[in-house]
Amino acid sequence: SQQGEEDPQALSIQEGENATMNCSYKTSINNLQWYRQNSGRGLVHLILIRSNEREKHSGRLRVTLDTSKKSSSLLITASRAADTASYFCATDEDSSYKLIFGSGTRLLVRP
Amino acid sequence: DAGVIQSPRHEVTEMGQEVTLRCKPISGHDYLFWYRQTMMRGLELLIYFNNNVPIDDSGMPEDRFSAKMPNASFSTLKIQPSEPRDSAVYFCASTHGTGGLETQYFGPGTRLLVL
Repeated sequence: SQQGEEDPQALSIQEGENATMNCSYKTSINNLQWYRQNSGRGLVHLILIRSNEREKHSGRLRVTLDTSKKSSSLLITASRAADTASYFCATDEDSSYKLIFGSGTRLLVRP
Repeated sequence: DAGVIQSPRHEVTEMGQEVTLRCKPISGHDYLFWYRQTMMRGLELLIYFNNNVPIDDSGMPEDRFSAKMPNASFSTLKIQPSEPRDSAVYFCASTHGTGGLETQYFGPGTRLLVL
């Protein structure tokens, strides 16, 4: 079952612009994570936000969580060509260690 | 730390053959996960272990798939017999459990092609 669904599926922006990706999920969660995957590579953890948090920052990343709407957003500010990758949200299931990943947003940052 | 190590990185085999994928988790991690990624189905959790014991294998697609973790530093995912629809990238990930969902560290994956 897919818990998270990302929107948009693909995003193309110019270097220096901000990129916003959204994630919606279906059930109650304890935590939500964002991961990045470069082409042909494994996933790399970016940031974790807990259900009692509303916003979290890490460098150029800003994550928000709205549990009432069951949605989260990832904002990358001042994007760089190196940010080109697929971005996935992941939620826990039944408070277990099972991570359920969304379908991902493919981000292209044009130099 | 070397991170999660997977082998082989690429595997091409013929339908009906046995395929064994290997994973070495990060030292000290007590949870190990096997995922499969395809364009059609995205990233799916197949099975995960805690302290070498399988906890949830509900994602294992068929009896053709089996996974073992004989010790804390090694796990295998076996497909026997393999079929073309098993073609995918298989990832292993590990984490250290502290009572809740934690960051998972992924290996580079094994790209499997079954002809």
